[in-house]
Amino acid sequence: GNSVTQMEGPVTLSEEAFLTINCTYTATGYPSLFWYVQYPGEGLQLLLKATKADDKGSNKGFEATYRKETTSFHLEKGSVQVSDSAVYFCALINTGGGNKLTFGTGTQLKVEL
Amino acid sequence: GAVVSQHPSRVICKSGTSVKIECRSLDFQATTMFWYRQFPKQSLMLMATSNEGSKATYEQGVEKDKFLINHASLTLSTLTVTSAHPEDSSFYICSARGSGGGSNTGELFFGEGSRLTVL
Repeated sequence: GNSVTQMEGPVTLSEEAFLTINCTYTATGYPSLFWYVQYPGEGLQLLLKATKADDKGSNKGFEATYRKETTSFHLEKGSVQVSDSAVYFCALINTGGGNKLTFGTGTQLKVEL
Repeated sequence: GAVVSQHPSRVICKSGTSVKIECRSLDFQATTMFWYRQFPKQSLMLMATSNEGSKATYEQGVEKDKFLINHASLTLSTLTVTSAHPEDSSFYICSARGSGGGSNTGELFFGEGSRLTVL
């Protein structure tokens, strides 16, 4: 079946630090990959996505590259801000999985001044 | 962007009572809604998929009679936890897909979540 594995949190960084949140997946075929973000008190929002190998999704300074050879979709940002504090979820959709989103456990990011 | 609203955001109830959680799409028609459950430090687990005007499709291991889902209109789906027990305490999240959305884009719109605590 499909599965997504994320690094455990919380991750605590100082403002302007470099961020990496690791995500690896298991799926048959060619899934689409996503990062969702959940700010405190809000619902999940789509942050970025990639639908095929070597695609790079980017949004709000965040990037993630679909690496089929390593089955990874690591989230990166060069300089985090306090406002980036949130929970980040890696997810995939696979047509072989009935077009249902499979989520990772989420990684909480705390950015401090 | 599209907005999905859940109510209540927090609810505390006594064991044995039933609790209803509403999920509304505020600015679009949602032909399909999904209900998820999240345990602490675990991923969101899909409980069921509901399509407007038809019965919900439940995931394996989810009790249909325990978690009643109704999707009576294009803007409202409800999840009722019947005869709640402490082990039902969890964070429940709904999401909605509009009628024009692609099936493989993953661009679902999520509610804020509802935290249920059963005493």
